[in-house]
Amino acid sequence: GDSVTQMEGPVTLSEEACLTINCTYTATGYPSLFWYVQYPGEGLQLLLKATKADDKGSNKGFEATYRKETTSFHLEKGSVQVSDSAVYFCALTASGGSYIPTFGRGTSLIVHP
Amino acid sequence: NAGVTQTPKFRILKIGQSMTLQCAQDMNHNYMYWYRQDPGMGLKLIYYSVGAGITDKGEVPNGYNVSRSTTEDFPLRLELAAPSQTSVYFCASVATGSSREQYFGPGTRLTVT
Repeated sequence: GDSVTQMEGPVTLSEEACLTINCTYTATGYPSLFWYVQYPGEGLQLLLKATKADDKGSNKGFEATYRKETTSFHLEKGSVQVSDSAVYFCALTASGGSYIPTFGRGTSLIVHP
Repeated sequence: NAGVTQTPKFRILKIGQSMTLQCAQDMNHNYMYWYRQDPGMGLKLIYYSVGAGITDKGEVPNGYNVSRSTTEDFPLRLELAAPSQTSVYFCASVATGSSREQYFGPGTRLTVT
């Protein structure tokens, strides 16, 4: 079946440091790929997405590129802020008729001033 | 649009009590989902629905029931609450034919003692 593997946290950084959170997936065909963010005490919200190979999703300074050859969708940001502290989930939805997503376990990011 | 709304935000139940968690969306989405999130863990799918009158089990359906009489509403029923059901519950929806990104509600934090 489909699966998503993301790096374990917590990831602890100082403000203005570079961020990479690794995400790899297993799925047949061409799934849609997502990063969701969950701020403390809130629900998940979409951060960015990519629906086909080589697409780059971007939002709020975060980026991720859909790499079919390495089955990866790593999340990057050049300079993190304290307000980026949250849990980040990588997810996929398979192509075809399925609307059931597969989520990774989440990676907690803590940014210190 | 209000998006996905959930009530209540918090609830404490005694063992053996029952309750219904409410979820509504005003985006005319066909697909709706219930997840639970245990502390430090990812999301587990409880039930989902592909449209009014159609529901199906997810990964962890035991102890729960759902109904979908309208497109807008997707309540989750807990019968005979147990401490193992202490969790945060999220409702989500997806638009048919979209890129399949999920829209999440703010969550209900349930404690069973």
